Amino acid sequence: AQSVTQLDSQVPVFEEAPVELRCNYSSSVSVYLFWYVQYPNQGLQLLLKYLSGSTLVKGINGFEAEFNKSQTSFHLRKPSVHISDTAEYFCAVRGDTGRRALTFGSGTRLQVQP
Amino acid sequence: DTGVSQDPRHKITKRGQNVTFRCDPISEHNRLYWYRQTLGQGPEFLTYFQNEAQLEKSRLLSDRFSAERPKGSFSTLEIQRTEQGDSAMYLCASSPRLDPTDTQYFGPGTRLTVL
Repeated sequence: AQSVTQLDSQVPVFEEAPVELRCNYSSSVSVYLFWYVQYPNQGLQLLLKYLSGSTLVKGINGFEAEFNKSQTSFHLRKPSVHISDTAEYFCAVRGDTGRRALTFGSGTRLQVQP
Repeated sequence: DTGVSQDPRHKITKRGQNVTFRCDPISEHNRLYWYRQTLGQGPEFLTYFQNEAQLEKSRLLSDRFSAERPKGSFSTLEIQRTEQGDSAMYLCASSPRLDPTDTQYFGPGTRLTVL
């Protein structure tokens, strides 16, 4: 079974500042990792995913994430945030064998202030 | 390519009533998933279909819940004898036929409020 921990429930940041949203996972098998964004009263939109290969993954809207196997982390970063990035961000994991269900973290609320 | 669609977007019902939600996946996606998301939490897996076969069910899917995908296209999720604890956002997702990683694409969700 897999689990995901998002250590920060809320991250306030000023516009144009850099941001990092932390995600740690646990799994007994190799994993696929995902970041999704959820705007108010909407579904989840895929930001980026790590499947294999290069540990630095680039996604939409200027976001990127780095997979660190030794630290079992998959932190999301953006060098300069915009007001429009205000949303809930979810990290999710799935084992590369067996169950196809995603296991999600509890989310991090990114609040971008002017 | 249109995304995953869900209907209705909002549903308010009284305790004890039955409700049914519909999900239409992205065209040509043969895998379909249902998740439940309560306030302040991440989505939790309920069930998964490959074509018309229901292959996985979570322990969260009590006997009051039933999901179907009769022709391998759209799916329905029914909750019988609703309880206040069923109030949540119900999310549907689909993944492509030939994608071994099962990257899942989500719909807008159905928000259920049980009074």
